[in-house]
Amino acid sequence: EAGVAQSPRYKIIEKRQSVAFWCNPISGHATLYWYQQILGQGPKLLIQFQNNGVVDDSQLPKDRFSAERLKGVDSTLKIQPAKLEDSAVYLCASSLGVGLNTEAFFGQGTRLTVV
Amino acid sequence: AQRVTQPEKLLSVFKGAPVELKCNYSYSGSPELFWYVQYSRQRLQLLLRHISRESIKGFTADLNKGETSFHLKKPFAQEEDSAMYYCALVSGSARQLTFGSGTQLTVLP
Repeated sequence: EAGVAQSPRYKIIEKRQSVAFWCNPISGHATLYWYQQILGQGPKLLIQFQNNGVVDDSQLPKDRFSAERLKGVDSTLKIQPAKLEDSAVYLCASSLGVGLNTEAFFGQGTRLTVV
Repeated sequence: AQRVTQPEKLLSVFKGAPVELKCNYSYSGSPELFWYVQYSRQRLQLLLRHISRESIKGFTADLNKGETSFHLKKPFAQEEDSAMYYCALVSGSARQLTFGSGTQLTVLP
Protein backbone atom coordinates (compact mmCIF):
# COMPACT_ATOMS: atom_id res chain seq x y z
CA GLU A 1 0.00 0.00 0.00
CA ALA A 2 1.12 3.57 -0.58
CA GLY A 3 2.39 5.12 2.58
CA VAL A 4 5.41 6.66 4.23
CA ALA A 5 8.50 4.73 3.18
CA GLN A 6 11.62 4.49 5.30
CA SER A 7 14.96 2.80 4.77
CA PRO A 8 16.83 0.96 5.97
CA ARG A 9 14.61 -1.06 8.32
CA TYR A 10 17.50 -2.05 10.54
CA LYS A 11 21.01 -0.72 11.09
CA ILE A 12 23.79 -1.76 13.44
CA ILE A 13 26.81 0.50 13.79
CA GLU A 14 29.65 1.01 16.22
CA LYS A 15 29.77 4.09 18.41
CA ARG A 16 31.42 7.10 16.80
CA GLN A 17 30.39 5.92 13.34
CA SER A 18 27.96 7.84 11.14
CA VAL A 19 24.56 6.74 9.91
CA ALA A 20 21.83 8.14 7.69
CA PHE A 21 18.15 7.35 7.42
CA TRP A 22 15.90 8.11 4.49
CA CYS A 23 12.19 8.93 4.38
CA ASN A 24 9.79 9.31 1.46
CA PRO A 25 6.51 10.83 2.65
CA ILE A 26 3.08 10.37 1.15
CA SER A 27 2.78 12.32 -2.08
CA GLY A 28 1.44 15.81 -1.53
CA HIS A 29 2.09 15.89 2.21
CA ALA A 30 3.63 19.20 3.17
CA THR A 31 4.54 18.38 6.75
CA LEU A 32 7.22 15.83 7.63
CA TYR A 33 8.27 14.72 11.11
CA TRP A 34 11.19 12.72 12.48
CA TYR A 35 10.68 11.02 15.83
CA GLN A 36 13.04 9.08 18.07
CA GLN A 37 11.49 6.24 20.04
CA ILE A 38 13.68 4.72 22.72
CA LEU A 39 12.61 1.30 24.03
CA GLY A 40 9.80 1.67 26.55
CA GLN A 41 9.12 5.31 25.75
CA GLY A 42 6.76 7.19 23.49
CA PRO A 43 7.96 8.83 20.26
CA LYS A 44 9.89 12.05 20.82
CA LEU A 45 9.78 14.71 18.12
CA LEU A 46 13.24 15.53 16.78
CA ILE A 47 12.41 17.82 13.87
CA GLN A 48 9.39 19.00 11.93
CA PHE A 49 9.45 20.34 8.36
CA GLN A 50 6.82 22.34 6.55
CA ASN A 51 7.66 21.83 2.87
CA ASN A 52 11.47 22.28 2.89
CA GLY A 53 11.59 24.63 5.86
CA VAL A 54 12.20 23.67 9.49
CA VAL A 55 9.37 24.71 11.82
CA ASP A 56 10.63 22.99 14.98
CA ASP A 57 13.97 21.42 15.81
CA SER A 58 14.08 22.32 19.49
CA GLN A 59 14.70 18.72 20.60
CA LEU A 60 17.24 17.83 17.92
CA PRO A 61 20.75 17.32 19.37
CA LYS A 62 22.34 19.57 16.82
CA ASP A 63 25.91 18.71 17.77
CA ARG A 64 25.47 15.28 16.24
CA PHE A 65 22.09 15.12 14.47
CA SER A 66 21.18 16.83 11.23
CA ALA A 67 18.24 16.59 8.88
CA GLU A 68 17.29 17.99 5.54
CA ARG A 69 14.32 17.86 3.24
CA LEU A 70 15.41 18.53 -0.28
CA LYS A 71 12.82 20.07 -2.58
CA GLY A 72 10.18 19.60 0.11
CA VAL A 73 9.77 15.88 -0.59
CA ASP A 74 12.23 13.22 0.64
CA SER A 75 14.13 13.70 3.85
CA THR A 76 17.30 12.34 5.41
CA LEU A 77 18.27 12.23 9.06
CA LYS A 78 21.95 11.85 9.90
CA ILE A 79 23.78 11.05 13.11
CA GLN A 80 27.50 11.83 13.26
CA PRO A 81 29.06 10.52 15.43
CA ALA A 82 26.68 8.03 16.99
CA LYS A 83 26.57 7.31 20.71
CA LEU A 84 25.26 4.25 22.53
CA GLU A 85 22.24 6.22 23.75
CA ASP A 86 21.17 6.85 20.16
CA SER A 87 19.96 3.25 19.96
CA ALA A 88 16.26 3.62 19.16
CA VAL A 89 13.63 3.35 16.46
CA TYR A 90 13.57 6.40 14.21
CA LEU A 91 10.11 7.11 12.87
CA CYS A 92 9.22 9.33 9.98
CA ALA A 93 5.68 10.68 9.61
CA SER A 94 3.92 13.00 7.22
CA SER A 95 0.68 14.94 7.08
CA LEU A 96 -1.14 17.10 4.56
CA GLY A 97 -0.47 20.17 6.62
CA VAL A 98 -0.82 21.41 10.16
CA GLY A 99 -4.46 22.37 10.10
CA LEU A 100 -7.05 21.37 12.64
CA ASN A 101 -7.69 17.67 12.84
CA THR A 102 -4.79 16.76 10.54
CA GLU A 103 -3.75 13.12 10.81
CA ALA A 104 -0.09 12.09 10.79
CA PHE A 105 0.82 8.93 8.87
CA PHE A 106 3.81 6.95 10.05
CA GLY A 107 6.43 4.83 8.37
CA GLN A 108 7.59 1.45 9.64
CA GLY A 109 10.61 3.00 11.27
CA THR A 110 14.35 2.31 11.24
CA ARG A 111 15.69 0.37 14.20
CA LEU A 112 19.20 1.61 15.04
CA THR A 113 21.50 -0.32 17.33
CA VAL A 114 24.75 1.35 18.37
CA VAL A 115 27.31 -1.04 19.85
CA ALA B 1 5.51 23.27 28.06
CA GLN B 2 3.11 20.65 26.86
CA ARG B 3 3.14 17.20 28.42
CA VAL B 4 1.17 13.97 28.02
CA THR B 5 1.08 11.41 30.81
CA GLN B 6 -0.06 7.82 30.53
CA PRO B 7 0.28 6.38 34.03
CA GLU B 8 -0.11 2.71 33.12
CA LYS B 9 2.65 1.01 31.12
CA LEU B 10 0.79 -2.30 31.09
CA LEU B 11 -2.90 -3.12 31.30
CA SER B 12 -4.52 -6.55 31.10
CA VAL B 13 -8.23 -7.27 30.93
CA PHE B 14 -10.32 -10.29 30.03
CA LYS B 15 -12.26 -10.50 26.79
CA GLY B 16 -15.68 -8.90 27.20
CA ALA B 17 -14.62 -6.74 30.15
CA PRO B 18 -14.63 -2.95 30.01
CA VAL B 19 -11.32 -1.23 29.46
CA GLU B 20 -10.12 2.30 30.19
CA LEU B 21 -6.71 3.63 29.21
CA LYS B 22 -5.80 6.78 31.08
CA CYS B 23 -4.32 9.92 29.59
CA ASN B 24 -3.68 13.26 31.28
CA TYR B 25 -2.25 16.30 29.61
CA SER B 26 -0.64 19.58 30.56
CA TYR B 27 -1.04 22.47 28.14
CA SER B 28 -1.87 26.12 28.65
CA GLY B 29 -3.75 26.52 25.38
CA SER B 30 -6.78 24.86 23.86
CA PRO B 31 -5.84 21.17 23.50
CA GLU B 32 -6.22 19.02 20.41
CA LEU B 33 -5.92 15.38 21.44
CA PHE B 34 -5.57 12.09 19.65
CA TRP B 35 -5.22 8.39 20.38
CA TYR B 36 -2.78 6.44 18.20
CA VAL B 37 -2.46 2.64 18.20
CA GLN B 38 0.29 0.25 17.16
CA TYR B 39 -0.68 -3.36 16.60
CA SER B 40 2.03 -6.02 16.62
CA ARG B 41 4.37 -5.67 13.63
CA GLN B 42 2.36 -2.78 12.21
CA ARG B 43 3.06 0.91 11.98
CA LEU B 44 1.69 3.53 14.33
CA GLN B 45 -1.73 4.71 13.16
CA LEU B 46 -4.46 7.09 14.22
CA LEU B 47 -7.30 5.56 16.24
CA LEU B 48 -9.41 8.60 17.00
CA ARG B 49 -9.33 12.36 17.59
CA HIS B 50 -11.27 14.27 20.21
CA ILE B 51 -12.54 16.92 17.86
CA SER B 52 -14.46 14.37 15.82
CA ARG B 53 -16.21 12.91 18.85
CA GLU B 54 -16.24 9.61 17.01
CA SER B 55 -16.34 5.96 18.00
CA ILE B 56 -13.77 3.79 16.25
CA LYS B 57 -13.70 0.01 16.72
CA GLY B 58 -15.96 0.55 19.73
CA PHE B 59 -13.51 2.95 21.39
CA THR B 60 -14.50 6.42 22.57
CA ALA B 61 -12.61 9.17 24.34
CA ASP B 62 -14.00 12.27 25.98
CA LEU B 63 -12.00 15.39 26.61
CA ASN B 64 -12.41 16.59 30.21
CA LYS B 65 -10.81 20.02 30.43
CA GLY B 66 -11.49 20.30 34.15
CA GLU B 67 -9.49 17.17 34.89
CA THR B 68 -7.18 17.68 31.88
CA SER B 69 -7.87 14.11 30.83
CA PHE B 70 -8.63 12.25 27.62
CA HIS B 71 -9.20 8.66 28.70
CA LEU B 72 -9.86 5.96 26.09
CA LYS B 73 -12.73 3.59 26.82
CA LYS B 74 -14.36 0.50 25.38
CA PRO B 75 -17.26 -1.29 27.07
CA PHE B 76 -16.37 -4.80 25.87
CA ALA B 77 -12.75 -5.54 25.03
CA GLN B 78 -11.84 -7.95 22.24
CA GLU B 79 -8.64 -9.96 21.80
CA GLU B 80 -7.83 -8.03 18.63
CA ASP B 81 -7.68 -4.85 20.72
CA SER B 82 -4.37 -6.02 22.17
CA ALA B 83 -1.86 -3.37 21.11
CA MET B 84 0.21 -0.41 22.24
CA TYR B 85 -1.85 2.75 22.68
CA TYR B 86 -0.44 6.27 22.67
CA CYS B 87 -2.18 9.46 23.67
CA ALA B 88 -0.98 12.52 21.74
CA LEU B 89 -1.39 16.28 21.93
CA VAL B 90 -1.05 18.91 19.20
CA SER B 91 0.23 22.24 20.48
CA GLY B 92 2.06 25.42 19.64
CA SER B 93 2.10 27.62 16.57
CA ALA B 94 4.02 24.92 14.68
CA ARG B 95 1.50 22.36 15.92
CA GLN B 96 3.96 19.88 17.34
CA LEU B 97 2.59 16.39 17.96
CA THR B 98 3.66 15.23 21.42
CA PHE B 99 3.16 11.63 22.55
CA GLY B 100 2.75 9.99 25.92
CA SER B 101 4.84 6.99 26.90
CA GLY B 102 2.16 4.53 25.86
CA THR B 103 0.10 1.74 27.45
CA GLN B 104 0.44 -1.88 26.34
CA LEU B 105 -3.06 -3.37 26.42
CA THR B 106 -3.43 -7.15 26.55
CA VAL B 107 -6.88 -8.67 26.23
CA LEU B 108 -6.90 -12.18 27.65
CA PRO B 109 -9.18 -14.93 26.28
